[in-house]
Amino acid sequence: GQNIDQPTEMTATEGAIVQINCTYQTSGFNGLFWYQQHAGEAPTFLSYNVLDGLEEKGRFSSFLSRSKGYSYLLLKELQMKDSASYLCAVMDSNYQLIWGAGTKLIIKP
Amino acid sequence: GAVVSQHPSWVICKSGTSVKIECRSLDFQATTMFWYRQFPKQSLMLMATSNEGSKATYEQGVEKDKFLINHASLTLSTLTVTSAHPEDSSFYICSARDHRGLAGAEQYFGPGTRLTVT
Repeated sequence: GQNIDQPTEMTATEGAIVQINCTYQTSGFNGLFWYQQHAGEAPTFLSYNVLDGLEEKGRFSSFLSRSKGYSYLLLKELQMKDSASYLCAVMDSNYQLIWGAGTKLIIKP
Repeated sequence: GAVVSQHPSWVICKSGTSVKIECRSLDFQATTMFWYRQFPKQSLMLMATSNEGSKATYEQGVEKDKFLINHASLTLSTLTVTSAHPEDSSFYICSARDHRGLAGAEQYFGPGTRLTVT
C-alpha cells in the first residue's frame, strides 16, 4: 500500500530552526510537495522536489532523497505566524497526490 | 500566480436539502480538478478527481450519487451534496492542476467551503 509518515506534532521556539521529516512508500514517484495549512484555511504551496538534494526558498528549505524515500522541510528564523500544519504529499505514478496526515507545528515565544 | 476560487465560503443548510459548491480557476485552464474533504484535526481526504468533459473518478467509499460532480468547462467544477445530513458537515476544498508549471504537476487550492448541516 501507499504510505506517507510524518510526526503528528512538533514544538519549537521563535527564532529557532525546526526540521519536519517525511518518509514515504508509494507506487511510483513524480515529485514530493510540502504545503502549509493554517487552521480553518486551505493548504498553500511551499515547495516541490523531484530530484535529490536541497531546494532553498527564503527561510524555508526542502530536501529529498529518493533512494531513502525521505524528505524534510527546514524552517529557519521561526516566526509566530509559522504556527500551522505542514503537509507532505507525494505524486504517484498516476499523478495522484498521496497526502500525509500533516505535522502541527507550535511556535512558542 | 494561479488563483482558484470557491463559492460559497461557508454554508449552513437543513438536513435533507442539497448544497452546490463551485470551484473556479480564475487565470488558468484546469483540465483536472480535485475535490477534498477535511474533518477537524485530520488530513485532506481526496473524494474525487474531476476531468473536464467526462465523468468524475470517485475514491473508494465516496458515494457518487450523493456527491455529484460536474466539470462542464475548463474553469469550473461543481460539487453538489445531495440530501445532506449532519455527518456531511465538513470543510470541502477543491484544487486545480495548472499544466503550465512544475511539469504539469502542481495543484492550486481554493479557499475551501465550510458546510454545516443542521
